[in-house]
Amino acid sequence: QVELQQWGAGLLKPSETLSLTCAVYGGSFSGYYWSWIRQPPGKGLEWIGEINQSGTTKYNPSLKSRVTISLDKSKNQISLKLSTVTAADTGVYHCARTRVGFYNYYMDVWGRGTTVTVSS
Amino acid sequence: EIVMTQSPVTLSESPGERANLSCRASQSVSTNLAWYQEKPGQAPRLLIYGATTRATGIPARFSGSGSGTEFTLTISSLQSEDFAFYYCQQYYNWPPITFGQGTRLEIK
Repeated sequence: QVELQQWGAGLLKPSETLSLTCAVYGGSFSGYYWSWIRQPPGKGLEWIGEINQSGTTKYNPSLKSRVTISLDKSKNQISLKLSTVTAADTGVYHCARTRVGFYNYYMDVWGRGTTVTVSS
Repeated sequence: EIVMTQSPVTLSESPGERANLSCRASQSVSTNLAWYQEKPGQAPRLLIYGATTRATGIPARFSGSGSGTEFTLTISSLQSEDFAFYYCQQYYNWPPITFGQGTRLEIK
């Protein structure tokens, strides 16, 4: 049973950098894409970006200038960095295993989420 | 960017009843649509992909239909554990992947 465990700082000040890590346990790390999704309080889900096994990334254009997603194959981990955060970046951040194919792109395993609050 | 709009925002139904949740895309997404269930404090769960294909382990009371711009998630006979938030997601054209704003399914 694949499990995604997430951790990272939950309280940030404006202008700091958000840094989260997602570790994959109990399943294959290779052969999948990995995504980050966030949910602001009281709002819907927002896709942040993805990374594949080659390290190729795609980001949401609205966040592209501030986002970096990376992976560490030796540790089966995926990382998210979001620079220069503001209160608008407050929310729950999820990592997710992503199935990508010719007609498919869906997240079939999700982490429980990490709550990040940006406040001065 | 493809905008996904879900309706209603909140749906009140009784256990045992049938629930129909709608999702509309701002342009055609063919059948490149997924549905997720989310409960507070839990990881979201994939229900449907390809607009109609149930994910592994999803009960048969969940079904998806539609293509193009109009989609429906139907729960045929509501169980207590089905009261949750539901989100649709398009993957026809990305980046970005986009989600609907969600429907809250509550007990009537």
